[in-house]
Amino acid sequence: DQQVKQNSPSLSVQEGRISILNCDYTNSMFDYFLWYKKYPAEGPTFLISISSIKDKNEDGRFTVFLNKSAKHLSLHIVPSQPGDSAVYFCAADNSGYALNFGKGTSLLVTP
Amino acid sequence: DAGVIQSPRHEVTEMGQEVTLRCKPISGHNSLFWYRQTMMRGLELLIYFNNNVPIDDSGMPEDRFSAKMPNASFSTLKIQPSEPRDSAVYFCASSQGYRENYGYTFGSGTRLTVV
Repeated sequence: DQQVKQNSPSLSVQEGRISILNCDYTNSMFDYFLWYKKYPAEGPTFLISISSIKDKNEDGRFTVFLNKSAKHLSLHIVPSQPGDSAVYFCAADNSGYALNFGKGTSLLVTP
Repeated sequence: DAGVIQSPRHEVTEMGQEVTLRCKPISGHNSLFWYRQTMMRGLELLIYFNNNVPIDDSGMPEDRFSAKMPNASFSTLKIQPSEPRDSAVYFCASSQGYRENYGYTFGSGTRLTVV
């Protein structure tokens, strides 16, 4: 059973606009959340993370928001650039155990 | 560091044949993971090693799959016999296991096609 869900398989955004990628989880024991970015023919690379004691973490153009009561997190990319076109995976961790990944959302940023 | 190295990058094999995927983790990383990526299930964990010891292999699909980590610098994932439904991209990842320095480092993956 999928404990981390990314319900949007794909998203298309115009360059310069905001991209919002969503992720829901079911396991209330998850206490650390990560986003990974994947280009074709490459492995996923770590992008940004957030601990459950926070509700926001920002790194340059990337911000992750966590809503624990809703078991929901989102990744905001502002402004979006064509080089951001990739598959984005949401992942969750339970006390340092192996990560649970969602199915991914394919982001296309158009010029 | 060269990162996590997987070989081969691509493998095409006939149903029933044995397939061995290889992984060299980053030196100093004490955790190693094998994941499989498919359209239907996304990235699913197959097995997890810590200090060369298998911790959880509950994600291994069935007895046809086996994984070993004979030392800190090498791991294999073997499928015998292979079936068409095993076709997927298999990723190896390693980590130091510390939350503050989390970030698994993934290899580039092995794309397996079983015909």
